[in-house]
Amino acid sequence: AQKVTQAQTEISVVEKEDVTLDCVYETRDTTYYLFWYKQPPSGELVFLIRRNSFDEQNEISGRYSWNFQKSTSSFNFTITASQVVDSAVYFCALTMNSGYSTLTFGKGTMLLVSP
Amino acid sequence: KAGVTQTPRYLIKTRGQQVTLSCSPISGHRSVSWYQQTPGQGLQFLFEYFSETQRNKGNFPGRFSGRQFSNSRSEMNVSTLELGDSALYLCASSLGDRRAKNIQYFGAGTRLSVL
Repeated sequence: AQKVTQAQTEISVVEKEDVTLDCVYETRDTTYYLFWYKQPPSGELVFLIRRNSFDEQNEISGRYSWNFQKSTSSFNFTITASQVVDSAVYFCALTMNSGYSTLTFGKGTMLLVSP
Repeated sequence: KAGVTQTPRYLIKTRGQQVTLSCSPISGHRSVSWYQQTPGQGLQFLFEYFSETQRNKGNFPGRFSGRQFSNSRSEMNVSTLELGDSALYLCASSLGDRRAKNIQYFGAGTRLSVL
């Protein structure tokens, strides 16, 4: 069975600090995809990034960066110079080839950025 | 391009009643998935519809059902409501070809409160 673990339930930082959100996954499939979503107070899950199991290149997009390490089954997410608008719940999720596009989510990490 | 639209945004029902939630996917998307989000269980997959057929189902009782119309719009029904059904119900749409890489785009959800 597949599983996604986000050990950090809540993180509080002050604006402009860097913050890393951890994600560890378990799957028996060799082909799978990892996602990060952001859920602001409005409730809508906003897609941030998708990575496949064959591509371990790290990615940077503006203030966001992702570190995928297959050896440790981790897909961590870093926000550089955090801003108040980054306050939200962040979810890591997994899909597997055998499960089509059904997402298995972690419990989420609530990020609070104070001014 | 309009996003995923869910109606209503809020619902209050009493135990034993039934409820119908609606979801309009992004234009061109043929797959609609439903997820339940609660503080205790997190985000859990309910079911997925494609071309008016349910093609994947999560581990929920038969009181939870859905359907999809020819225009890809979907409805979810919960009969004989229980207090534990209080949750945020999220709908997601995707292109629909059966690939794990598909990105699911979410609506803002319907918050159901059962009294």
